[in-house]
Amino acid sequence: GAGVSQSPSNKVTEKGKDVELRCDPISGHTALYWYRQRLGQGLEFLIYFQGNSAPDKSGLPSDRFSAERTGESVSTLTIQRTQQEDSAVYLCASSPQQGRGTEAFFGQGTRLTVV
Amino acid sequence: QKEVEQDPGPLSVPEGAIVSLNCTYSNSAFQYFMWYRQYSRKGPELLMYTYSSGNKEDGRFTAQVDKSSKYISLFIRDSQPSDSATYLCAMNYGGSQGNLIFGKGTKLSVKP
Repeated sequence: GAGVSQSPSNKVTEKGKDVELRCDPISGHTALYWYRQRLGQGLEFLIYFQGNSAPDKSGLPSDRFSAERTGESVSTLTIQRTQQEDSAVYLCASSPQQGRGTEAFFGQGTRLTVV
Repeated sequence: QKEVEQDPGPLSVPEGAIVSLNCTYSNSAFQYFMWYRQYSRKGPELLMYTYSSGNKEDGRFTAQVDKSSKYISLFIRDSQPSDSATYLCAMNYGGSQGNLIFGKGTKLSVKP
């Protein structure tokens, strides 16, 4: 594909429900990132995958958050027992670089609203 | 102290003005510096990417990095209404740590 694709683009869920967000990175990109952006705020790092290395999960805010990536392809971010403070835009990015500075390309994001 | 500081603005300028956007950072280990532009309800778009200190120019955009002062800048010449967006600085360590650290973004409005 031409760019990073995220689905769904919008998601409204009830408090306490689980949600799954999907990211399709640019083909051939080895690195994949998830960020969260609350209204009017900057980007908050969640998790980083690089090839077959163990992911950097240091940004996940609680154990309700988890993410997986199959090889160098699709990634899913799962939020269990959603809370209202989880409402935000969840952004995925991918990068072709390994072991150096990162030219990360972002998707359009999934806007999550927890009611 | 946050790792990356960026004035959120908003910043309003007339069309044709030169715009200066800035970030400061605290960690001297940062090696790679980026500027992203984010339009409303869109994902961030990579504008400029520089390594270590120095200048980089691309059309109307110039990125500057001063590692001795831990200060980076983005200049926009002949600003246009289409430049109205939020500008985010980002940086990382390189090496095995690919995580990008972002500033909060500066909201820019260019008035016709």
